[in-house]
Amino acid sequence: GAVVSQHPSRVICKSGTSVKIECRSLDFQATTMFWYRQFPKKSLMLMATSNEGSKATYEQGVEKDKFLINHASLTLSTLTVTSAHPEDSSFYICSAWTADPAFFGQGTRLTVV
Amino acid sequence: GNSVTQMEGPVTLSEEAFLTINCTYTATGYPSLFWYVQYPGEGLQLLLKATKADDKGSNKGFEATYRKETTSFHLEKGSVQVSDSAVYFCSLTSGGYNKLIFGAGTRLAVHP
Repeated sequence: GAVVSQHPSRVICKSGTSVKIECRSLDFQATTMFWYRQFPKKSLMLMATSNEGSKATYEQGVEKDKFLINHASLTLSTLTVTSAHPEDSSFYICSAWTADPAFFGQGTRLTVV
Repeated sequence: GNSVTQMEGPVTLSEEAFLTINCTYTATGYPSLFWYVQYPGEGLQLLLKATKADDKGSNKGFEATYRKETTSFHLEKGSVQVSDSAVYFCSLTSGGYNKLIFGAGTRLAVHP
């Protein structure tokens, strides 16, 4: 079946630095990918829709200058958390659709210290 | 806007007990409905889905029926196992590009 791979699975960074998370569709092309954030014991909040070859579409309340999304190819989308702060610590998950349904990456646990 | 409401957890059951996790939704149009499961330390996996009214999705002994008249998609399993312990998310497609809207999630703990 279709696989979405996310890397890294865990990352610890210092406050003020930037972190890049990759999301790859391994055996299908995805013109659209989605980035979610999951707070502890909470649901997934859609952050943005990543569109191949064009700008990402951000949900209300999500800072586009802080969460930079690049979708340079049909199999790769990246989320860069810029100038990270402890409140950005969270579980970030990407997803992509092939014909049906959505497949999710394994998630990235970001800890900002 | 579209939304999903799930029963609050945690739900704690003994092995072989009957499980129901309630899910209701608000949506315009005709969304597809899904249940996703998240095992400890892992990402989400699709459990089952239904794409139109009266469809029943089923997988691994779980089932849910798309009820348009009650705007519900309750998850059921006749006999749970310890391995079913996980967080279950009800969701629907919303808007263009198949955006998924999730409920808050219900944590299920099954004890031997």
